[in-house]
Amino acid sequence: DAKTTQPPSMDCAEGRAANLPCNHSTISGNEYVYWYRQIHSQGPQYIIHGLKNNETNEMASLIITEDRKSSTLILPHATLRDTAVYYCIVRVGSGNTGKLIFGQGTTLQVKP
Amino acid sequence: DGGITQSPKYLFRKEGQNVTLSCEQNLNHDAMYWYRQDPGQGLRLIYYSQIVNDFQKGDIAEGYSVSREKKESFPLTVTSAQKNPTAFYLCASSPLGGGWGNQPQHFGDGTRLSIL
Repeated sequence: DAKTTQPPSMDCAEGRAANLPCNHSTISGNEYVYWYRQIHSQGPQYIIHGLKNNETNEMASLIITEDRKSSTLILPHATLRDTAVYYCIVRVGSGNTGKLIFGQGTTLQVKP
Repeated sequence: DGGITQSPKYLFRKEGQNVTLSCEQNLNHDAMYWYRQDPGQGLRLIYYSQIVNDFQKGDIAEGYSVSREKKESFPLTVTSAQKNPTAFYLCASSPLGGGWGNQPQHFGDGTRLSIL
């Protein structure tokens, strides 16, 4: 599976949009981009995933560049409860264990 | 509500003792997984199962055992052979249809295991 690179930490003001970048320059054509977040002492929470097109759900939006070498997770109106470690993961579509490989992630601190 | 239930939330083990962590899901998912997370680290796959009565070793299976007798249950036993069992253990499940890549894994809230 392709590796990802994320900034170790980011701050965001409450009520503002949080834009979390991720680089995955070695991504293959059949690899999906996934985002999870983990609040301390809890299990990871699935946020969103995509292959080529931009995606939006009730939690966030995922913007994938045309060459698919990077993506951005957007939390449109960050709240204090969005403070967490955010993980960007690329994952092969088939033929492997299906495991998720979590890197170090980005610690997002939402401030009042 | 549908979800994944892990129990207990905290577990303490004496040296030389086997302990079993419970994982139950009512999402009707075919695949189930066990991961281990150490402080400040990412998740590492211990075992996974795609179907009842079948399971496969992950990256760090030594010192662990699992069973999958029912679709909704995937218990993990941490044996005395696991020399460094102190960690946060996470269970996950996902559907299988449409290929691995397009099916999110959903996680329980974990069991924190400590050695006395």
